Amino acid sequence: DSGVTQTPKHLITATGQRVTLRCSPRSGDLSVYWYQQSLDQGLQFLIQYYNGEERAKGNILERFSAQQFPDLHSELNLSSLELGDSALYFCASSVRLAGVGNEQFFGPGTRLTVL
Amino acid sequence: AQSVTQLGSHVSVSEGALVLLRCNYSSSVPPYLFWYVQYPNQGLQLLLKYTSAATLVKGINGFEAEFKKSETSFHLTKPSAHMSDAAEYFCAVSEPGADGLTFGKGTHLIIQP
Repeated sequence: DSGVTQTPKHLITATGQRVTLRCSPRSGDLSVYWYQQSLDQGLQFLIQYYNGEERAKGNILERFSAQQFPDLHSELNLSSLELGDSALYFCASSVRLAGVGNEQFFGPGTRLTVL
Repeated sequence: AQSVTQLGSHVSVSEGALVLLRCNYSSSVPPYLFWYVQYPNQGLQLLLKYTSAATLVKGINGFEAEFKKSETSFHLTKPSAHMSDAAEYFCAVSEPGADGLTFGKGTHLIIQP
C-alpha cells in the first residue's frame, strides 16, 4: 500500500459525459501528479500540482482539467468524453518536486471505460 | 526533450535464470532514472532510482541497475528470477527542474517454470 488513495476504482460512462476522479496523496506529500495509461499511448504524464498550484503540464487535453484543494487532495475532471479516453488514470504523490529526483508514490488507479 | 526506449515488449526467462531488462534514455542534461514494477490490477511500485550518486543502484526484491552514461543506458538485472517477478516493468526518466516522469513503453516479464 503506497498510501495514495484514488476513487472510484472503476467508472463506466457514456460518450459526451463528464466525470471526476479523486486522489488523496500520502500524508505530508505536497506534490500530486496525474498520469494516463492506455494500450496505445502507454503511460503519459498529464499534469502536476504542488501545494495547490499548477506546476507542470504534460500531454493533457483541453477537455481535461485538474485542481488541488487546500487539504491537498486533487481531482481530475474529464469532460466531453470520447471512446479514446478509456484508460487507467493514476495519481502519484511526492514530498517535493520530482525534478530533484524524489520518488513518486502511485495510487491503485481509476479504470475509466467510455461506452 | 527526454525519452525512454525499452527494448523488448516481452521478455521470457526460466525460473532461476538471469533477468535483464534493457532501458536506453535520451536527455539533454544528466537525468534522474527510475525503474517501476506494475503487478496486474495494481499501481506502480518503485524498484530503484538513480540520482547521480553511485552508478550501480540496488533496489528491492534483489534487482539492481547500472547507469552507463557513455551508452545512455540503465538496464535492470536480477541474478535469479523467481515466479513472483512476473509483472510489467517500466523505465522512467526525469530531468532536474522538470516535473512529471517520462516512461518507456514497458516490458512484460514472463517467468517460465
